[in-house]
Amino acid sequence: EAQVTQNPRYLITVTGKKLTVTCSQNMNHEYMSWYRQDPGLGLRQIYYSMNVEVTDKGDVPEGYKVSRKEKRNFPLILESPSPNQTSLYFCASSLSTRYGEQFFGPGTRLTVL
Amino acid sequence: AQKVTQAQTEISVVEKEDVTLDCVYETRDTTYYLFWYKQPPSGELVFLIRRNSFDEQNEISGRYSWNFQKSTSSFNFTITASQVVDSAVYFCALSDDDTDKLIFGTGTRLQVFP
Repeated sequence: EAQVTQNPRYLITVTGKKLTVTCSQNMNHEYMSWYRQDPGLGLRQIYYSMNVEVTDKGDVPEGYKVSRKEKRNFPLILESPSPNQTSLYFCASSLSTRYGEQFFGPGTRLTVL
Repeated sequence: AQKVTQAQTEISVVEKEDVTLDCVYETRDTTYYLFWYKQPPSGELVFLIRRNSFDEQNEISGRYSWNFQKSTSSFNFTITASQVVDSAVYFCALSDDDTDKLIFGTGTRLQVFP
């Protein structure tokens, strides 16, 4: 089954404790990205990747890191989480933003205390 | 810079009413791509449609239709004879050839009451 998986689905952590949210897709998509969803702000792109070893900042990259060592995986790293990073996070993949729909993961609800 | 505006924060209708969700976009590029996504109460994001800037034909898919007007930079979404299952947050999004970013609007929450 074609899908994007994210783990964990829910996470409560404390300020400053490094965490990683994993994202994996099995569709051989080149384009992957991370979004955060906040009430009243819609979905905002954090980082995106056009292919392996190619990443670029979205609109809200501060406080986040990503890597793309393999085509299927695109982890989101919060090296020192802060309460303003409490949000719902979505990973997505597609052939490209231009030519295809984005396939979204189920979301990760992160709370930083 | 790219921008997507969904001015309607929340819309409430009664079943069987028609409803239109507005989307206004800004881009300097002549080649761009517009999308609509649905987020039902369960939380997942579901792709509805993609339209490129060279194709101004309106699209109809069952009870759903989309009106793309370059003259007004709008890509509006109409649900005919709404149903309770249409209750969701709907997002409009934009991508252009100048950047590989995907910009979403803030979403419109549609509530359909029986």
